Amino acid sequence: NAGVTQTPKFRILKIGQSMTLQCAQDMNHNYMYWYRQDPGMGLKLIYYSVGAGITDKGEVPNGYNVSRSTTEDFPLRLELAAPSQTSVYFCASSNRGGSYEQYFGPGTRLTVT
Amino acid sequence: DQQVKQNSPSLSVQEGRISILNCDYTNSMFDYFLWYKKYPAEGPTFLISISSIKDKNEDGRFTVFLNKSAKHLSLHIVPSQPGDSAVYFCGGGTSYGKLTFGQGTILTVHP
Repeated sequence: NAGVTQTPKFRILKIGQSMTLQCAQDMNHNYMYWYRQDPGMGLKLIYYSVGAGITDKGEVPNGYNVSRSTTEDFPLRLELAAPSQTSVYFCASSNRGGSYEQYFGPGTRLTVT
Repeated sequence: DQQVKQNSPSLSVQEGRISILNCDYTNSMFDYFLWYKKYPAEGPTFLISISSIKDKNEDGRFTVFLNKSAKHLSLHIVPSQPGDSAVYFCGGGTSYGKLTFGQGTILTVHP
């Protein structure tokens, strides 16, 4: 059981480039989430999904897109990268919504220069 | 608009003593609250949760207290151990597991 996996671990992007952060979970969880953590700040929710084919915006969705074609995968797409998107990105999954524990991946550290 | 605040960036305690981490919130719509622990270069891991209708929840060395009238919650760790040294985040949650986190408190437990 790998849990939640994220690739890549690190990435440097130039301003205006695009990329996709990959997230996969093998726990058959319906709920998946993308967060970003800026230095000295808490995690902020970007997008979330309650099942395959269903996604919705979180607190800071601008500049990002997501898709959920399978239960296992929840990729996060950055279009036209900007320095403000320099952050550590965490993907998480949960068996159910509400107060149930979210399992986090190890994170992707992204730098946009 | 910071709905969840952890006003102490860091806390230092001696091994065996009590650690108290505090968290304030402004959103009355939170249904539950959770604490997560994070080690460097790892994702956060769940520690303990409490429903908004409870005032206390205990799990081993960890106890979370909720004071709804003051919009305040705290995490007590007794006794503290060096392995507890990490960043602790509190979060408030609403439907679908949408969490709002505080900025985190760095706990250092000295042997």
